[in-house]
Formats: sequence, C-alpha cells, structure tokens
Amino acid sequence: DIQMTQSPSYVSASVGDRVTISCRASQGISSWLAWYQQKPGRAPTLLIYSASTLQSGVPSRFSGSGSGTDFTLTISSLQPEDFATYYCQQSNSFPFTFGQGTKLEIK
Amino acid sequence: QVQLVESGGGVVQPGRSLRLSCAASGFAFSTYSFHWVRQAPGQGLEWVAFVSSDGTLKHYRESVKGRFTISRDNFKKTVSLQISGLRREDTALYYCVREGNYHQPGFDYWGQGTLIAVSS
Repeated sequence: DIQMTQSPSYVSASVGDRVTISCRASQGISSWLAWYQQKPGRAPTLLIYSASTLQSGVPSRFSGSGSGTDFTLTISSLQPEDFATYYCQQSNSFPFTFGQGTKLEIK
Repeated sequence: QVQLVESGGGVVQPGRSLRLSCAASGFAFSTYSFHWVRQAPGQGLEWVAFVSSDGTLKHYRESVKGRFTISRDNFKKTVSLQISGLRREDTALYYCVREGNYHQPGFDYWGQGTLIAVSS
C-alpha cells in the first residue's frame, strides 16, 4: 500500500497568514493526488485534484503543487472559514489512501 | 443538483450484518464510479471500497475483504455496501462518494454519511 504522510499534523495560524501543508507519498504517484477540506460535523469537500487543479468553486487562495512523491497545499491568505482539517489522498493505485490529516487552528 | 443520500446505519452487535445504501440523483449516475469512505469517531478518513461505473470492477481495503461487498444498480441509481461479520473496529461514519471522471479525478461529491456503531 502507498503510505501518505502529511506534515505538520497541527498548525496554528492567524487570518491573513500564508500556510503550507506538505504531503509525501511512500512511492511515486505521478500527479494522482487530491486535497480535501473537512469542517467539524461535515463531509469533506474536494479542493484540488491532479495535484494542482483547483476544483470548480474553490477560492483561488488555495493552490497545490508537486508530483511524484512530494506535494504541497498552500493557502495564500487565510480566511476565517479556512480553519478546518485538510487531507491529501492518492488515487494512483488501490487501495486509495489518505494522509492522517492536518488540523489548521486559529492562533 | 448532485445529491448522495446514505441510509442503513445503526447500532449492531459484533458479528452481525448490515446493508448500507446510497441513493443518487441530479447527474448521469451510470457514468461515474463510486467509493465508500469511512471515518471512525475523532479519526481520519479511510478508503473502504470501489465500484466502477458499470459495476464490473471492484476493490476493497484488505481489512474488509471477504466481509464487505460493494454493488450498484444503474437503473435504481443506488450504490450499496453489504457488511457481514461486523467488528468493533468497523465503527465509523460511512460516506458514499462519487469519483470524478478521468479528466477530473478526485472525490467530487460526498453524502452526509451514515453511522455504524458496533457494540454488544
């Protein structure tokens, strides 16, 4: 199975900050990488697919980059509604796997 | 609009069976693949099973192989997950998830989830 490791697991930041979350795959997954946002009590929502393509309706302050084994989610200027948990997920091969999550908290 | 509505969860004793259903609407159901993803209380997301658009391809995570069976009915626009031999570690919120097409991969729509609690 491909292991997905996110870092950090927790990040504390303020409104307006730039935040970067990393995701590393245990083997190469090309660009088969998606990012999700989950707020408490809600289902996850798709932010980015194919490592860097913004899902329709997602604000442009979100961006993704990387290929192979190393990927990054960047939020350029945090907004109050961005405080949530973020997950990366690979769809290169079954079983699909998620990272353990990164909780973004208000400083 | 796209809707995925899960049902069938509940409190169940270890070793018993349960069938989850997901009713879809608002899109061309038969052209999409589906997955079940679960989330144990306070934990992260865990992929469980996949079924292709025509129902011929299926994949499962190792820990559920032989106990979980995913299926779909393209006429009724439903996806199901038959679960047998429930274990305490199967306790989770189970999401029905649509996978985008080849050019837009990713889990683009999620249901609200249905909760399974395995307890004696």
